[in-house]
Amino acid sequence: QQQVKQSPQSLIVQKGGISIINCAYENTAFDYFPWYQQFPGKGPALLIAIRPDVSEKKEGRFTISFNKSAKQFSLHIMDSQPGDSATYFCAARGGGGADGLTFGKGTHLIIQP
Amino acid sequence: DAGITQSPRHKVTETGTPVTLRCHQTENHRYMYWYRQDPGHGLRLIHYSYGVKDTDKGEVSDGYSVSRSKTEDFLLTLESATSSQTSVYFCAISRSGGSSYNEQFFGPGTRLTVL
Repeated sequence: QQQVKQSPQSLIVQKGGISIINCAYENTAFDYFPWYQQFPGKGPALLIAIRPDVSEKKEGRFTISFNKSAKQFSLHIMDSQPGDSATYFCAARGGGGADGLTFGKGTHLIIQP
Repeated sequence: DAGITQSPRHKVTETGTPVTLRCHQTENHRYMYWYRQDPGHGLRLIHYSYGVKDTDKGEVSDGYSVSRSKTEDFLLTLESATSSQTSVYFCAISRSGGSSYNEQFFGPGTRLTVL
């Protein structure tokens, strides 16, 4: 049973545009929601994270929007650049008793110049 | 990679052989994790540790064991490797895993192929 559902699987955005990736969860015990960026051959790198008592968090061009009642959160990348082309994963912590993260399946983002 | 090294970085082995992967950190973080990454599955938690000699199972722990005898080292062992364990394995560390400030930082990964 997938606890964090991520969409879309792949996304193509023009340079300068807004990239939007969505995630949904069911487990209300989740208490921390990070986003990771991964380049080929590298480990995931923490990009930005939010806790459920906050509806939005912005760091530079990256923004997380969080809707607790809908159990959804999304990543917005403003002014997308070719260097943002990577795979992005949403995740959640706190479900099922294990202390690790539950990840979405990932979104392959391509920014076209 | 936040002071995390993994060894080996690549390994090819045969079905039925034992394999041990090592994660080493220089950050003195209390929490350490092993994940596997497979196409179409994202990352899935195998085991984690919340201190020396303190470990627990994750979502996909069957066929794996772990040990942590020192703060800086977390070992993942496949007692008898199977082809279904072909994957990329990532180690992660966290200073405060037991709270909602659980920032996890990942190592560079080990690509394991079981023939």
